[in-house]
Amino acid sequence: AQTVTQSQPEMSVQEAETVTLSCTYDTSENNYYLFWYKQPPSRQMILVIRQEAYKQQNATENRFSVNFQKAAKSFSLKISDSQLGDTAMYFCAFMKLRYNTNAGKSTFGDGTTLTVKP
Amino acid sequence: EAEVAQSPRYKITEKSQAVAFWCDPISGHATLYWYRQILGQGPELLVQFQDESVVDDSQLPKDRFSAERLKGVDSTLKIQPAELGDSAMYLCASSLGIMGEQYFGPGTRLTVT
Repeated sequence: AQTVTQSQPEMSVQEAETVTLSCTYDTSENNYYLFWYKQPPSRQMILVIRQEAYKQQNATENRFSVNFQKAAKSFSLKISDSQLGDTAMYFCAFMKLRYNTNAGKSTFGDGTTLTVKP
Repeated sequence: EAEVAQSPRYKITEKSQAVAFWCDPISGHATLYWYRQILGQGPELLVQFQDESVVDDSQLPKDRFSAERLKGVDSTLKIQPAELGDSAMYLCASSLGIMGEQYFGPGTRLTVT
């Protein structure tokens, strides 16, 4: 079974600064996807960024980037130029690809609550 | 922009009563997920559908929970009888296919008293 660990329950950052959220996972799979999802207070969860395990290049999406270390099974999220709207709970998720279906099973970490301070 | 719809948004029920949640995924999304999210934790998959077929229900407490997606479109999750430990947020999500991005609904917050 896959496990996802987010070791930082809470973090805070000053507006305009950079913050990195940590995520490690455990799997024997070679092909999988990794995701960071954002869940703002009282709002629905949305995808922030996705990384395919077969790609060596780290994914970037505007101010969000990841540091994917496959051998170390580490997948951290860097948020640059933090904004007040980035305040949310962030979940790291692992998706195992199952070849006989169209979509895989996701395992989520317990989240990191990020507060951006003005 | 298309969204996943869920109802009700909030539900308070007494222990031993039956409760049902409804989810309407984004049109064209073949895969539908039901998750349970306990406060302060990540979502835990309860059941996954591919069209009308159950792909994974290994974490679904089948003695009290049931889920269906009869026409491969909207879905219902039922709990009977509800227990105090079922108090949680129930999230529905859908995805188009193998690329895996899941679109989440706003969730149903269940309180069992």
